[in-house]
Amino acid sequence: GQQLNQSPQSMFIQEGEDVSMNCTSSSIFNTWLWYKQDPGEGPVLLIALYKAGELTSNGRLTAQFGITRKDSFLNISASIPSDVGIYFCAGQAGGKLIFGQGTELSVKP
Amino acid sequence: GAVVSQHPSRVICKSGTSVKIECRSLDFQATTMFWYRQFPKQSLMLMATSNEGSKATYEQGVEKDKFLINHASLTLSTLTVTSAHPEDSSFYICSALGTSPDTQYFGPGTRLTVL
Repeated sequence: GQQLNQSPQSMFIQEGEDVSMNCTSSSIFNTWLWYKQDPGEGPVLLIALYKAGELTSNGRLTAQFGITRKDSFLNISASIPSDVGIYFCAGQAGGKLIFGQGTELSVKP
Repeated sequence: GAVVSQHPSRVICKSGTSVKIECRSLDFQATTMFWYRQFPKQSLMLMATSNEGSKATYEQGVEKDKFLINHASLTLSTLTVTSAHPEDSSFYICSALGTSPDTQYFGPGTRLTVL
């Protein structure tokens, strides 16, 4: 079946630093999405990408849909303590979402 | 907009009992909803796709007789875990498919603990 490889698995950074995480897949997706999940909560949509090559920003977040449609990255600039959480990429195909394993972000003040 | 609620947020039950979890889209109609399960430190795994007015479609390995899904209206889907066992303890999350754009919006999740 389709699988997404998300890396890194975890990150420990200092407040103010930039963060980058990515997802790769062996399959093509029509849509890539990035979600953030806080402990005990459901995922919250951060950015949705609908077109190969698309680069989209949402505040300090920037994400790109790879040209091959098999990968995507998410950058967070100037991290702050509230960025702490687990970030998931998800590829959408056939109406279903396939999630990456998640990147756990810790930010030290 | 695009708010999805779940009830209850937490439930503790005895082994052998059945538990019903509700998923509601509060400000939009959703012909399609999804149910996921998430174990600690793991990703979300799709259990089933719930379609209003028709039978749910289950993912491979998910027992349809154990996880009963009913999508009786355009704003409500329910998941019933029948004869729950401790191994069913997990975080259950629903999502509702919006149409503009075609994106899934997630509920806050339900923590099920089976004793």
